Amino acid sequence: QVQLVQSGAEVKKPGASVTVSCKASGYTFTSYGITWVRQAPGQGLEWMGWISAYNGDTHYAQKLQGRVTMTTDTSTNTAYMEVRSLSSDDTAVYYCARKYTGSHPDYWGQGTLVTVSS
Amino acid sequence: DFQMTQSPSSLSASVGDRVTITCRASQGISNYLAWYQQKPGKVPKVLISTASTLQSGVPSRFSGSGSGTDFTLTISSLQPEDVATYYCQKYNSAPLTFGGGTKVEIK
Repeated sequence: QVQLVQSGAEVKKPGASVTVSCKASGYTFTSYGITWVRQAPGQGLEWMGWISAYNGDTHYAQKLQGRVTMTTDTSTNTAYMEVRSLSSDDTAVYYCARKYTGSHPDYWGQGTLVTVSS
Repeated sequence: DFQMTQSPSSLSASVGDRVTITCRASQGISNYLAWYQQKPGKVPKVLISTASTLQSGVPSRFSGSGSGTDFTLTISSLQPEDVATYYCQKYNSAPLTFGGGTKVEIK
């Protein structure tokens, strides 16, 4: 069965960086992309970007350009999402989800809470 | 910047009522639209893809329609377990923008 298992909760200070991992299983990792979505407390869903696990192509939300990097490791079927220069506005639950080209994100990870606090 | 405008932002209806949520895209997206249901503290769940295709296991009281720029999610007979926030999302190309969400409550 398809599973996406994310890394655990993080607490970071303003200005720091955080990396969230998303380990995939139950499907051919390189046949799909991974999209990342975040949700601040009490707020809606915000699309952050997408990476192809096939060739590493990326698309980032304009708002996060320059501060976010998405990568994959095909040897371990794991996707990574790094956000730099954290502020309190980055406090959110971060989700990864599997996405096939031209299709909707279907399987989602369990979410990772990132708290930015001094 | 691409916009997905969802309305209303919240609604309160009685059990058994018909509920309609709309989503408008700032540019045409054909039928590349999904609807999600999110209950508090839970992961979003896909209800509908390609604007009108019900996902496996989703009750038939949920339906979707539309194409181009205007889309609708309908719950034909609201049930207590449908209390949640609903989001639309375009997925034809980046950015995969979400609507702002509609919080559905029972009156």
